[in-house]
Amino acid sequence: GNSVTQMEGPVTLSEEAFLTINCTYTATGYPSLFWYVQYPGEGLQLLLKATKADDKGSNKGFEATYRKETTSFHLEKGSVQVSDSAVYFCATNTGNQFYFGTGTSLTVIP
Amino acid sequence: ETGVTQSPTHLIKTRGQQVTLRCSSQSGHNTVSWYQQALGQGPQFIFQYYREEENGRGNFPPRFSGLQFPNYSSELNVNALELDDSALYLCASSLARDRNTEAFFGQGTRLTVV
Repeated sequence: GNSVTQMEGPVTLSEEAFLTINCTYTATGYPSLFWYVQYPGEGLQLLLKATKADDKGSNKGFEATYRKETTSFHLEKGSVQVSDSAVYFCATNTGNQFYFGTGTSLTVIP
Repeated sequence: ETGVTQSPTHLIKTRGQQVTLRCSSQSGHNTVSWYQQALGQGPQFIFQYYREEENGRGNFPPRFSGLQFPNYSSELNVNALELDDSALYLCASSLARDRNTEAFFGQGTRLTVV
């Protein structure tokens, strides 16, 4: 079956610290991989995506590389800001539906 | 272009009642999906509609039903509400059904069943 496993949160970092949120997946077929972000009281917003092995998705300083051999799609950012505080969801898309992880809450303190 | 809009934003219902949630998809998008997000969890797929036909369903009972209209807007209906149905319900629209296409989410409807 299909599933996504994310690093447990919550994560608290100081401003300008390095961020890694681990994500691994199991899938039938060859999914595309996504990271979505959810700010308090809002829906999900696409952060980045990758559609094939070794692709790197990037946006707003965030990056993630599609690693087929390790079935992983870890999210990284070199220097986080207070405004990055949110819940981050890793997801796969098989075409008919998205499978989401449970989310990782990030709080960045000044 | 307009984004995905959902109504209402908040709703309180009594156990056993029925509820209808509404979603207007992003302009030009013909595919709509509904997700249930319980507190502290990731969204769970309920079902998807493509050109007014159900195109896939998650592990939800038949009392969860939906419709898609010719303008691609959609409704989610839940009958015989249970306390565990309390959650954020998210609508997502997309341009196609292929795996490379991102979904655009609305802000959600927060349903509380008492």
